[in-house]
Amino acid sequence: GDSVTQMEGPVTLSEEAFLTINCTYTATGYPSLFWYVQYPGEGLQLLLKATKADDKGSNKGFEATYRKETTSFHLEKGSVQVSDSAVYFCALSARIEDTGRRALTFGSGTRLQVQP
Amino acid sequence: EAGVAQSPRYKIIEKRQSVAFWCNPISGHATLYWYQQILGQGPKLLIQFQNNGVVDDSQLPKDRFSAERLKGVDSTLKIQPAKLEDSAVYLCASSLALTGYGYTFGSGTRLTVV
Repeated sequence: GDSVTQMEGPVTLSEEAFLTINCTYTATGYPSLFWYVQYPGEGLQLLLKATKADDKGSNKGFEATYRKETTSFHLEKGSVQVSDSAVYFCALSARIEDTGRRALTFGSGTRLQVQP
Repeated sequence: EAGVAQSPRYKIIEKRQSVAFWCNPISGHATLYWYQQILGQGPKLLIQFQNNGVVDDSQLPKDRFSAERLKGVDSTLKIQPAKLEDSAVYLCASSLALTGYGYTFGSGTRLTVV
């Protein structure tokens, strides 16, 4: 079945450091890929998405590129801030032929802690 | 635009008791999802509705979990009887259609079973 694997956390960085959170996936067909963020005490929010190979999703300084050849969607940011401290989830949405549905499959999440 | 509303925000029950969660999706969103998020894990889909019909309930433990979406708007998720391993955050989400895009998540209900 479909699955998403993320690097384990926590990831602890100093402010203005470069961030990479690795994400790889297994899915049939051509899934859409997403990064969601969960700030402390808040609900899940969509951070960025990519719907086909070589697409780059970007938002708030974060970027991720859909790499079909390596089945990866790594999240990057050039300079993190304390306010970026949160849990980040990689997810995919794959088409199911019999029902045509697309439901999200999530990775286990990576906690990012940014220190001043 | 109002978000996805869920209640209660927190619930503590003893094992073998029953509990119900309520979700009101964004107006006009035909697709509604219930997810279970156990501490330290990603959300796992329990059930998906399209209007008032079930699209996917393959991961719903049907011996104890049930869900309904009467009139294709609000939805209720019930657990009866609860087990310790049901302790989790139950998230409701909605989207415009069966596209998988445009998800909006509610803040969730945190259930603790003691």
